Amino acid sequence: ETGVTQSPTHLIKTRGQQVTLRCSSQSGHNTVSWYQQALGQGPQFIFQYYREEENGRGNFPPRFSGLQFPNYSSELNVNALELDDSALYLCASSLDGVGTQYFGPGTRLLVL
Amino acid sequence: GENVEQHPSTLSVQEGDSAVIKCTYSDSASNYFPWYKQELGKGPQLIIDIRSNVGEKKDQRIAVTLNKTAKHFSLHITETQPEDSAVYFCAATTTSGTYKYIFGTGTRLKVLA
Repeated sequence: ETGVTQSPTHLIKTRGQQVTLRCSSQSGHNTVSWYQQALGQGPQFIFQYYREEENGRGNFPPRFSGLQFPNYSSELNVNALELDDSALYLCASSLDGVGTQYFGPGTRLLVL
Repeated sequence: GENVEQHPSTLSVQEGDSAVIKCTYSDSASNYFPWYKQELGKGPQLIIDIRSNVGEKKDQRIAVTLNKTAKHFSLHITETQPEDSAVYFCAATTTSGTYKYIFGTGTRLKVLA
C-alpha cells in the first residue's frame, strides 16, 4: 500500500452535474498529481499541485479544476459533466514535485 | 507532442517463462522511466524505475533496460508466476518543470499455469 487514499471509491452522476473527488497524499509528500484513466488506456495527466499552487496542466478544459490544502490533501472538481468524463480518476503523491509518484486506488466515475 | 508507445498490448506466457514489454518515447529530454503494475480495481503500483544515467537495473525477477540513443526501454520479467498477471504500464518524464508522467497504453500480461 502506498498510503495515498482517495474518496469516494465509486460515483455515478448525470450529464451536466458537478463532482468533487478527494485525495490524501502519503505522509511527508507535498505534491499531488491527478490523472484520468479511460477504460483500456493509460493514465492521462490532468494537473499537478505543489505546495498549494497549480504546477502544470495537461490538455483538459477549464471545467476541470483543483485545489490543494495546507495539509497537502487535494480535490479535483469537474463541472458540467459529459459522458466522456466517465473514467477512473487517479491521484499520485510525490515529494517536491520531482520525486517518484505513488498512486492511490482511484475513484471510478460513471456519467449517465 | 510527447508520446510513449508500448508493445505488445497483450502477452500470454507459460508459468516459468520470461516476459518482455517494450516502450519507445518521443521526448529526448525524458530522463526518468518508471514501470507500474495495475491489478483489477486498483491503482498503479510502482515495480521498478530507471534513470537516464543508467543502462540497466534489476530487482530480483524484474529488470529494466534503457537505450537512450534509440529512445527505447524495456521491462523483463523472468520465471513468471500467475500472480504476475496484471496490466503493466511504462511511463516517461523529465525531472524538470511539471514532472508529469506520459504513460504508454498498457500491456495485459497473462501467466498461464
